[in-house]
Amino acid sequence: GQNIDQPTEMTATEGAIVQINCTYQTSGFNGLFWYQQHAGEAPTFLSYNVLDGLEEKGRFSSFLSRSKGYSYLLLKELQMKDSASYLCAVKEQDSWGKLQFGAGTQVVVTP
Amino acid sequence: GAVVSQHPSRVICKSGTSVKIECRSLDFQATTMFWYRQFPKQSLMLMATSNEGSKATYEQGVEKDKFLINHASLTLSTLTVTSAHPEDSSFYICSARESDYEKLFFGSGTQLSVL
Repeated sequence: GQNIDQPTEMTATEGAIVQINCTYQTSGFNGLFWYQQHAGEAPTFLSYNVLDGLEEKGRFSSFLSRSKGYSYLLLKELQMKDSASYLCAVKEQDSWGKLQFGAGTQVVVTP
Repeated sequence: GAVVSQHPSRVICKSGTSVKIECRSLDFQATTMFWYRQFPKQSLMLMATSNEGSKATYEQGVEKDKFLINHASLTLSTLTVTSAHPEDSSFYICSARESDYEKLFFGSGTQLSVL
């Protein structure tokens, strides 16, 4: 199974940078995803890492270290609309590629 | 990007009734779909993996006789909550994966409220 840990909540001001950490312990690993979810809505895909290193996509970047079981999502130039829950998910190494999600980090962006 | 349609978005029902939720992949074929449940301020909990043409695989602790899953075609999976009770009230979300891509696409979710 998977054990995925991420902070419950983080607060930052508009224009700032926030880093959301995710650690995982897994019996099988086949990639790590970050999703954004606004309240009452379905998650939307942000990033996918399967190899070590940093993936940059606009204001969002994601990092992975497989040896450390660690990832982070970096949000730059925060905007009010970035207030949401950010979910770290690990893809299992099975034939279906199912995802197991962390509890999510609620990011609150203040003016 | 790929689109996954989920219907209905919201349903209110009486205790003891059954509710069917549909999940469709609109522009791709999905041999595998996943059903998740999410309680308020909690993360998504995988309920089952739905494979086209075969029986669903349920996660530990999920009652297969209560949550019936049918994946009759490559574009449609249904979840039926049988004899629903108030504790089944939750946000149910389906997801699907294009066979050649890694990321999951999610439906818009169904908020089930059992009175």
